[in-house]
Amino acid sequence: EPEVTQTPSHQVTQMGQEVILRCVPISNHLYFYWYRQILGQKVEFLVSFYNNEISEKSEIFDDQFSVERPDGSNFTLKIRSTKLEDSAMYFCASSVDRGYGYTFGSGTRLTVV
Amino acid sequence: KQEVTQIPAALSVPEGENLVLNCSFTDSAIYNLQWFRQDPGKGLTSLLLIQSSQREQTSGRLNASLDKSSGRSTLYIAASQPGDSATYLCAVFSRDDKIIFGKGTRLHILP
Repeated sequence: EPEVTQTPSHQVTQMGQEVILRCVPISNHLYFYWYRQILGQKVEFLVSFYNNEISEKSEIFDDQFSVERPDGSNFTLKIRSTKLEDSAMYFCASSVDRGYGYTFGSGTRLTVV
Repeated sequence: KQEVTQIPAALSVPEGENLVLNCSFTDSAIYNLQWFRQDPGKGLTSLLLIQSSQREQTSGRLNASLDKSSGRSTLYIAASQPGDSATYLCAVFSRDDKIIFGKGTRLHILP
């Protein structure tokens, strides 16, 4: 069964450093998403991406965050200057179309120290 | 603003029992509703997807129902097993292109 692949599975970074989280969505999917889950809390929407542009973003997704689909297969989330409160599990998801089911990756656990 | 609530927050039942997990949402203008399973420290595994035009979906021992007008969904698990122990998340895809998750129900099946 097709999978959404996320790398790395775990990343530790120092506060203030830039991180890039990588995702390879399912190949025929057109809609892409990033979510995060702070330990013990809800899964929260960050951003949705379609047709090479952001279609929706949450209040969490401020100027420190950016997304890119550089080569037609990868979908990346960049955090420019990490803060302690960015420590969370970050999930990538993709969907063939709006209103269809979403396939989530297994997540990247980001720890900011 | 869409809000998703799951009740109960935690549930422990003996192995073999049938159980029901509840999910409610405030805005009935949804594309679909999806139930996920999350094991501790792991990703999200899709269990069932119900389109807004559907009333229920079944997969093995799982059955999910959707009543859009009342803003409710239930996940029914038949003949529970210890391997069913996990957190179950309800997620609603709203028309503003966001998936809104509930906080989940932590299920523990007692052997």
